[in-house]
Amino acid sequence: EPEVTQTPSHQVTQMGQEVILRCVPISNHLYFYWYRQILGQKVEFLVSFYNNEISEKSEIFDDQFSVERPDGSNFTLKIRSTKLEDSAMYFCASSQAESGGIQETQYFGPGTRLLVL
Amino acid sequence: AQTVTQSQPEMSVQEAETVTLSCTYDTSESDYYLFWYKQPPSRQMILVIRQEAYKQQNATENRFSVNFQKAAKSFSLKISDSQLGDAAMYFCAYRRTNNAGNMLTFGGGTRLMVKP
Repeated sequence: EPEVTQTPSHQVTQMGQEVILRCVPISNHLYFYWYRQILGQKVEFLVSFYNNEISEKSEIFDDQFSVERPDGSNFTLKIRSTKLEDSAMYFCASSQAESGGIQETQYFGPGTRLLVL
Repeated sequence: AQTVTQSQPEMSVQEAETVTLSCTYDTSESDYYLFWYKQPPSRQMILVIRQEAYKQQNATENRFSVNFQKAAKSFSLKISDSQLGDAAMYFCAYRRTNNAGNMLTFGGGTRLMVKP
């Protein structure tokens, strides 16, 4: 069964450093998402991406964050200058369609645990 | 803004028994989707079941079923014949149908423990 994959599984970085989190969505999916989950808290939406542009972003997704689909398979989240409060689990998700039954269901990757020291 | 509330931080069930996890949500929309996701210790989010708000019939998926009460804005998950592998965090989630970004709004989660 096709899966969303994410690399790395864990990343430790120093405050102020740039990090890039990578995701490979399911191959026939067109919509891509990033969510984050600070330890012990809710899963929070960051951004959605379609047709090489951001569809929607949350208040969390400020100028420190950016997303990119550099090639036909990868979808990345960049944090330019990490802060302590960026420490969280970051989940990538993808869906086949925007709406229309099961096709719009979002499938999640296993997550990248980011620790900012 | 939509909110999703899971009032039970933890639940416990005996293996082979039935357990119900609660979820309520707040929205002014008439059409939307609701989901239950499972997050085992591996932390991966796995879709358990989904419900379209326009459908009156409650969704079922093998041992998993929902009780969708639209007027009460309630969406509970029933797990029958609980198994040890059901132990996980369970998140209720909401999505508007006319949401251009397809954003999911999650509840705070319920940790389910299954006792052998």
